[in-house]
Amino acid sequence: EPEVTQTPSHQVTQMGQEVILRCVPISNHLYFYWYRQILGQKVEFLVSFYNNEISEKSEIFDDQFSVERPDGSNFTLKIRSTKLEDSAMYFCASRLLKSSYNEQFFGPGTRLTVL
Amino acid sequence: AQSVAQPEDQVNVAEGNPLTVKCTYSVSGNPYLFWYVQYPNRGLQFLLKYITGDNLVKGSYGFEAEFNKSQTSFHLKKPSALVSDSALYFCAVRDIPKSGAGSYQLTFGKGTKLSVIP
Repeated sequence: EPEVTQTPSHQVTQMGQEVILRCVPISNHLYFYWYRQILGQKVEFLVSFYNNEISEKSEIFDDQFSVERPDGSNFTLKIRSTKLEDSAMYFCASRLLKSSYNEQFFGPGTRLTVL
Repeated sequence: AQSVAQPEDQVNVAEGNPLTVKCTYSVSGNPYLFWYVQYPNRGLQFLLKYITGDNLVKGSYGFEAEFNKSQTSFHLKKPSALVSDSALYFCAVRDIPKSGAGSYQLTFGKGTKLSVIP
């Protein structure tokens, strides 16, 4: 069964450093998402991406964040200058566009720790 | 804006007993509701969804959920719990697009940890 994959599984970085989180969505999916979950809190929407551009973004997704689909398979989330409060589990998801009722498929997550 | 509430942080149930994980929602239009499960070190796995139609929705691994419009609830149920059902369960509601083709982002509850005791 096809899966969304994410790398790395755990990233530790110093405050102020740039990080790139990588995702490989399911191959025939066309809508991509990033969510995050701060420890003990809700899963929160960050951004959605379709047709090589951001479709929607939340207030969390400020100028420090960017997304990119650099090739036909990867979907990346970049945090330009990490802050302590960026420590969280980051989930990538993808969706088949055919119907608006399709569910999203999630990857296993990347745990980001900012020191 | 839509929201989801999962009133229980943890639910404990004995193996073989029925289980219920509660979820209530708030949306301004028609709700599209989902349940996801998260096992340790795994991503969120889709269990089931309610879009329209029958109020009782059947999903993966023997789970079902009952949509109740008057109570704005979408509780997850299983007639007989297994130890392997122990995991974190998330209820989610899909947004109403602001304009045109929306991204259908999900709004999640905070999750309920289910522990099935042998």
